Amino acid sequence: GAGVSQSPRYKVAKRGQDVALRCDPISGHVSLFWYQQALGQGPEFLTYFQNEAQLDKSGLPSDRFFAERPEGSVSTLKIQRTQQEDSAVYLCASSKPGLAAYNEQFFGPGTRLTVL
Amino acid sequence: AQTVTQSQPEMSVQEAETVTLSCTYDTSESDYYLFWYKQPPSRQMILVIRQEAYKQQNATENRFSVNFQKAAKSFSLKISDSQLGDAAMYFCAYTLGDSNSGYALNFGKGTSLLVTP
Repeated sequence: GAGVSQSPRYKVAKRGQDVALRCDPISGHVSLFWYQQALGQGPEFLTYFQNEAQLDKSGLPSDRFFAERPEGSVSTLKIQRTQQEDSAVYLCASSKPGLAAYNEQFFGPGTRLTVL
Repeated sequence: AQTVTQSQPEMSVQEAETVTLSCTYDTSESDYYLFWYKQPPSRQMILVIRQEAYKQQNATENRFSVNFQKAAKSFSLKISDSQLGDAAMYFCAYTLGDSNSGYALNFGKGTSLLVTP
């Protein structure tokens, strides 16, 4: 399919472990977003990429969170020294070229992270 | 802080009936964009409908329509002729930030819609 894919779909980590979550956006989509969705809540913005440039990382909750998109396509969200409060679904979304606010964001299925 | 409020955590509707999901928001911007997204149990978020704030005419997409009241900062979603496949979490959202943030979305907490036969 041509949709946004994420891997792994489920991840269980022991507290203190590092994790890496991958996002494959739709081919040709310039914009890529990461959101964090806690149980029973709406998604919350983490960070935004335009091609390989990370233009906004204001939503990252701490310096343990790091995201990259080195070639302007695949993106990785890394969480170092995971804590229980990091348990959530991490959603990736991409949108078409251009910066129009009206652009639809296409979401992946998410990665459910559980930190024990 | 700019917020989105969905006051109905859960709603129920019978098949073929009409249901309205409420949403209010708070922004100091004059130009922004509003969205309703649907999140089925499989968790892939799908756009349902969108509205440009500068347009007074309410958006419609087949069985889905909105009632946009800009002065009241209200953006409700009406689903007509409800179908079993409409059962999902529905999130109201608006664009947050500017071109540097890529117009990231600011979501409400969602309304869980149950459709009964």
